[in-house]
Amino acid sequence: GAVVSQHPSRVICKSGTSVKIECRSLDFQATTMFWYRQFPKQSLMLMATSNEGSKATYEQGVEKDKFLINHASLTLSTLTVTSAHPEDSSFYICSALGRQETQYFGPGTRLLVL
Amino acid sequence: AQSVTQPDIHITVSEGASLELRCNYSYGATPYLFWYVQSPGQGLQLLLKYFSGDTLVQGIKGFEAEFKRSQSSFNLRKPSVHWSDAAEYFCAVGEISNYKLTFGKGTLLTVNP
Repeated sequence: GAVVSQHPSRVICKSGTSVKIECRSLDFQATTMFWYRQFPKQSLMLMATSNEGSKATYEQGVEKDKFLINHASLTLSTLTVTSAHPEDSSFYICSALGRQETQYFGPGTRLLVL
Repeated sequence: AQSVTQPDIHITVSEGASLELRCNYSYGATPYLFWYVQSPGQGLQLLLKYFSGDTLVQGIKGFEAEFKRSQSSFNLRKPSVHWSDAAEYFCAVGEISNYKLTFGKGTLLTVNP
């Protein structure tokens, strides 16, 4: 149980385009999901908290207009990187808050912006 | 603000040897503590967690961790390491109010045959 999927697993896009990443909780409902960014050989940095039916809460320094988050259902949150640039290239990981206040993580999405 | 320190960036052990990965935290109240493991290019898998009660917690894959409040530590142990345990290990402390996690920088485990 507590499986979280992400799609796509890998995406390459041109600079200036937008990319949407989906995060789904497959066998449980999650009113809260989280989006992280991980640079090579570094830890996870929380970008935002996504709550179903309400606006996301962004961490300090994260541009909300650049990283659009939508949590339209209890099993799906999306992260859209708008007008992507090479510096946005990273590994993006989502998690869903499951039972016993525990976060369950997706497999991650590797974004490469050319 | 809470913080997590994992003093060891990289540890190498021989297969079959015992393992201890260190984790120290800073948090104003009783913490939620977690250990996650990440294989290359993958997301994080929960190994074990501590919320309250018995300070020695058992996890998956033969791992255990002990919460020591006096030392602000939550070290991860395994009596006999397998080659498949090679991965990056992250300790995290969770905020009770909003469930946010703060991660340590991780410890990369290499297992020699």
